[in-house]
Amino acid sequence: GQNIDQPTEMTATEGAIVQINCTYQTSGFNGLFWYQQHAGEAPTFLSYNVLDGLEEKGRFSSFLSRSKGYSYLLLKELQMKDSASYLCAVRDRPPNAGNNRKLIWGLGTSLAVNP
Amino acid sequence: KAGVTQTPRYLIKTRGQQVTLSCSPISGHRSVSWYQQTPGQGLQFLFEYFSETQRNKGNFPGRFSGRQFSNSRSEMNVSTLELGDSALYLCASSAVGLAGYNEQFFGPGTRLTVL
Repeated sequence: GQNIDQPTEMTATEGAIVQINCTYQTSGFNGLFWYQQHAGEAPTFLSYNVLDGLEEKGRFSSFLSRSKGYSYLLLKELQMKDSASYLCAVRDRPPNAGNNRKLIWGLGTSLAVNP
Repeated sequence: KAGVTQTPRYLIKTRGQQVTLSCSPISGHRSVSWYQQTPGQGLQFLFEYFSETQRNKGNFPGRFSGRQFSNSRSEMNVSTLELGDSALYLCASSAVGLAGYNEQFFGPGTRLTVL
C-alpha cells in the first residue's frame, strides 16, 4: 500500500536544531517534497529531493535515502516563526499506470518552537 | 505576480446539495491540482488538470469532479454533499505540473462546512 509516516508533534527551543523524519512506502517513487504550513494558511514549498543525499537551502536542509524510504528535514537556528506544521509528500508513479502521478501526503508534524 | 486565488473562501451547505469551487492559478501556470485537507486525513489529492485535460486522479468518488478552462482557471464540483465532505479544499498551481519537478503554489483554500 501507500503510506507516509511522520511524528505528530515535536517541540524545540529557539536557536536549536530539529530534525523531522519522514518514512514512506509507495508503489513507485518519483520525488519527495517538504512543505511548511502555518495555522490557517496554505502550505508553502520548502524543498524537493529526487536523488539520494542532502539538499541545503539556508537554515533548512532535506535528506533522502531511497533505499530506506526515508527523508528528514533539518531546521537550524530555530526561530519562533518556524512554529508550523511540516508536511512530507511523495510523488508516486505506480508501475503500469502510464504517466499517472499523484502526490501522497503525510499528516504533518506540528512543530512548536519555545523561547 | 499575483498568487493563486480561490473563491469563495467559506461555504456552508446542507447534505444533498452540490457546490462549485473556483481556482485561478498564477499567470502562466498551466497545471492546477486540487486537494482536500482534514485534520484526520491530512492532505489528499483529488485530481490535476493540465491544459484543460484531467491528467492525474486520486481515489475520490465520482461525486467529485472538475474542469479547467482555456485560461487555466479551474473549477471543482461536489455533488450530493455528505457530512464527511466538510474540509478545507486547496488548489495548487505549477508551471509544469506533477509530471515534472516544479513546486506547487497553493491558494488560501475554501473552507466547506456541510450541515
